Amino acid sequence: KNQVEQSPQSLIILEGKNCTLQCNYTVSPFSNLRWYKQDTGRGPVSLTIMTFSENTKSNGRYTATLDADTKQSSLHITASQLSDSASYICVVKRGSSNTGKLIFGQGTTLQVKP
Amino acid sequence: DAGVIQSPRHEVTEMGQEVTLRCKPISGHNSLFWYRQTMMRGLELLIYFNNNVPIDDSGMPEDRFSAKMPNASFSTLKIQPSEPRDSAVYFCASNSGTGAFGTGELFFGEGSRLTVL
Repeated sequence: KNQVEQSPQSLIILEGKNCTLQCNYTVSPFSNLRWYKQDTGRGPVSLTIMTFSENTKSNGRYTATLDADTKQSSLHITASQLSDSASYICVVKRGSSNTGKLIFGQGTTLQVKP
Repeated sequence: DAGVIQSPRHEVTEMGQEVTLRCKPISGHNSLFWYRQTMMRGLELLIYFNNNVPIDDSGMPEDRFSAKMPNASFSTLKIQPSEPRDSAVYFCASNSGTGAFGTGELFFGEGSRLTVL
């Protein structure tokens, strides 16, 4: 069954601390994986895309990793800020580049406290 | 450039009433998606269109839900009659590229929060 599971479900950290969010998937065939950030009351926005050949990709204080062998991805946030408080959703695209569907995780809700 | 525009942002209605949600995709995008988001189930795909044609409506919960895309710049999602369990945030998203999902990057609107009493 094609599934995307995220952990933890929710997380509270202090401003300035680092954190890592996990995404495990059983989607096959794999096309790519994206991390979305969803601020409260807004729509999700793509942070980064990981393809099969990529292990690590950074976008400012966000670093995503992908292990295609174990079918795991992580999103590491460095030196967290209050504005990082949001839900982070892992989405795996199934199929070839021209077809396939998107499989969404349930998301991890991150709260950064001052 | 304007993003995906949805209206209304908030809708409160009574059970049995008809609800119409509207969406204007990003100009030039050829695929449009309707999602529903709840705390329990996360984001669920209801239906998507490619070049204004409905491709997959298997996510539409039941016959009370219907969606149309009469042209490339407008789509509606209608619920008739509405029920309390339809309460959720409904998102419209669009993208461009080869195939309905392209590279998988969707551009979401701000959502329409529906409350059915």
